[in-house]
Amino acid sequence: DTGVSQNPRHKITKRGQNVTFRCDPISEHNRLYWYRQTLGQGPEFLTYFQNEAQLEKSRLLSDRFSAERPKGSFSTLEIQRTEQGDSAMYLCASSSSSGDYEQYFGPGTRLTVT
Amino acid sequence: AQSVTQPDIHITVSEGASLELRCNYSYGATPYLFWYVQSPGQGLQLLLKYFSGDTLVQGIKGFEAEFKRSQSSFNLRKPSVHWSDAAEYFCAVSSGGSYIPTFGRGTSLIVHP
Repeated sequence: DTGVSQNPRHKITKRGQNVTFRCDPISEHNRLYWYRQTLGQGPEFLTYFQNEAQLEKSRLLSDRFSAERPKGSFSTLEIQRTEQGDSAMYLCASSSSSGDYEQYFGPGTRLTVT
Repeated sequence: AQSVTQPDIHITVSEGASLELRCNYSYGATPYLFWYVQSPGQGLQLLLKYFSGDTLVQGIKGFEAEFKRSQSSFNLRKPSVHWSDAAEYFCAVSSGGSYIPTFGRGTSLIVHP
């Protein structure tokens, strides 16, 4: 078990560009979550999947944000037309859908929009 | 809606001293409560959780927390702090149905030698 991995770890982009982040969950976990964390704040929930189904997406910050998990394994989070306010750490977590649903977090992708 | 308040942005303690980090929550029903730790460059790691039962819960790395329903609190404690405990600590609450935690803003722990 290698834990949750996220790529890239850092991304610098210019305002208006699109960016995509990838999350690989723990292999036996069927739930996958995305969070955003800004400086001095705790993680803020964005969306989550159970297998390939996106069960909650109302908390995505705007229609520029979208996420996919096409085969129920890895997931991608895309931000279109980035804005400076999108600069943050984007965290991914995974869990099983039984037991205590404990979430295991990845190291995050730090996005800087210039 | 559920919410979490961590009133202390920074806490400074000397190595070997005891520690208590405060957490107050707002939630109508019985909450699920968590404490996570985040070190620079690392993902959040779960220290301990409370779902039901004994209100004093033991976690990893020598931490414990006590659920006090009357005070809507879930404070984190450690009897003797080590320099490696310096990190950001987050309290979180979730409902039983979603298991999706709402996090507090965190408390930064600074440990002096």
